[in-house]
Amino acid sequence: SQQGEEDPQALSIQEGENATMNCSYKTSINNLQWYRQNSGRGLVHLILIRSNEREKHSGRLRVTLDTSKKSSSLLITASRAADTASYFCATPYFNQAGTALIFGKGTTLSVSS
Amino acid sequence: SQTIHQWPATLVQPVGSPLSLECTVEGTSNPNLYWYRQAAGRGLQLLFYSVGIGQISSEVPQNLSASRPQDRQFILSSKKLLLSDSGFYLCAWRAGTSTDTQYFGPGTRLTVL
Repeated sequence: SQQGEEDPQALSIQEGENATMNCSYKTSINNLQWYRQNSGRGLVHLILIRSNEREKHSGRLRVTLDTSKKSSSLLITASRAADTASYFCATPYFNQAGTALIFGKGTTLSVSS
Repeated sequence: SQTIHQWPATLVQPVGSPLSLECTVEGTSNPNLYWYRQAAGRGLQLLFYSVGIGQISSEVPQNLSASRPQDRQFILSSKKLLLSDSGFYLCAWRAGTSTDTQYFGPGTRLTVL
């Protein structure tokens, strides 16, 4: 089942501009993560924000979490061509066998120079 | 430091042939291990995960199976491939129960003809 849904599906910007991606989820969570995937490669973990946090920064990344709206946003400031990638949000999924992650469909970001 | 390996990197197989994809993790013990599939331009679909040797949880009933013969080895198999099995297969690990963050391998691109 799909827990997170990213918006927009695709985003094209110029170098130096900011890029904002949004993620909505359905059930209560204790944390939310963002991952990046360069074309044809594995995913790379970017940042994790816990349910008791509203905002978190890591370098040029800023993540917000609004648990009342069940949504999160990822802001990349001063984007570079190297930021071109797909970005996914992921939320934990628990069952008796353990914990997994459910990923959204992703936002494809294209940064042109 | 921990590393995760997947092989082969690419594979072209005829319909009806068997499949074996291997994933190994180094530098950690008793990891949680995961197999995902990503169709072209799509998000990640969780296929299997394992919290220990011989323990496999299947998320999506299908033409695939998984096994964990050793602590840091995770194998994805099929007896007879279907066209619909084509995709990008990603293995990931998580460090036990201390965090929800997952670390991904480089992936295997499978094309079934």
